[in-house]
Amino acid sequence: RKEVEQDPGPFNVPEGATVAFNCTYSNSASQSFFWYRQDCRKEPKLLMSVYSSGNEDGRFTAQLNRASQYISLLIRDSKLSDSATYLCVVKAGGTSYGKLTFGQGTILTVHP
Amino acid sequence: EAQVTQNPRYLITVTGKKLTVTCSQNMNHEYMSWYRQDPGLGLRQIYYSMNVEVTDKGDVPEGYKVSRKEKRNFPLILESPSPNQTSLYFCASSHPGGTGYTFGSGTRLTVV
Repeated sequence: RKEVEQDPGPFNVPEGATVAFNCTYSNSASQSFFWYRQDCRKEPKLLMSVYSSGNEDGRFTAQLNRASQYISLLIRDSKLSDSATYLCVVKAGGTSYGKLTFGQGTILTVHP
Repeated sequence: EAQVTQNPRYLITVTGKKLTVTCSQNMNHEYMSWYRQDPGLGLRQIYYSMNVEVTDKGDVPEGYKVSRKEKRNFPLILESPSPNQTSLYFCASSHPGGTGYTFGSGTRLTVV
């Protein structure tokens, strides 16, 4: 079983749609959780951290369920510029330098 | 500007010819790491370094070497490259306990 699993998609949605991505992780000792965004052939960039209480940044909402080892990302009112690959990322616990483990990524295409 | 700089961006080489991919960061980060990204496999960690002279293997270290003689630099060395090392490589850095990594722009390596 992979440490971090995501539905690879692709998700093809019209502008203005709401889309949700899910992710599960296998290591119950994981400490920190993130969503990264990666544009084609470019480096991953931090989109947002994910907190236990859930958190929102504009049109983006992230949720964490530690009991189910499940992370989600909701994008509301999708824009063309949201088209990218979204990476679910888990940081190992037990050390301040915890290793980041990446999911394979979910491809999102927003069309007019 | 805070950044991680990788060189070269693109490299085509022949099997067995030693090469070095350089990585430098200007943020005084203690933690640095190398990843490779392959279709269907996502980002996988090759090596990481917690500080100067402290390095350790990641998930896929075979065929690679690293060094950390200075805080800002973390070169990736392929002593005898093989075609299965054809990949997109990313260097990343972070502060201890940081919320995420800053990635370099990537190095696309082709070994023929």
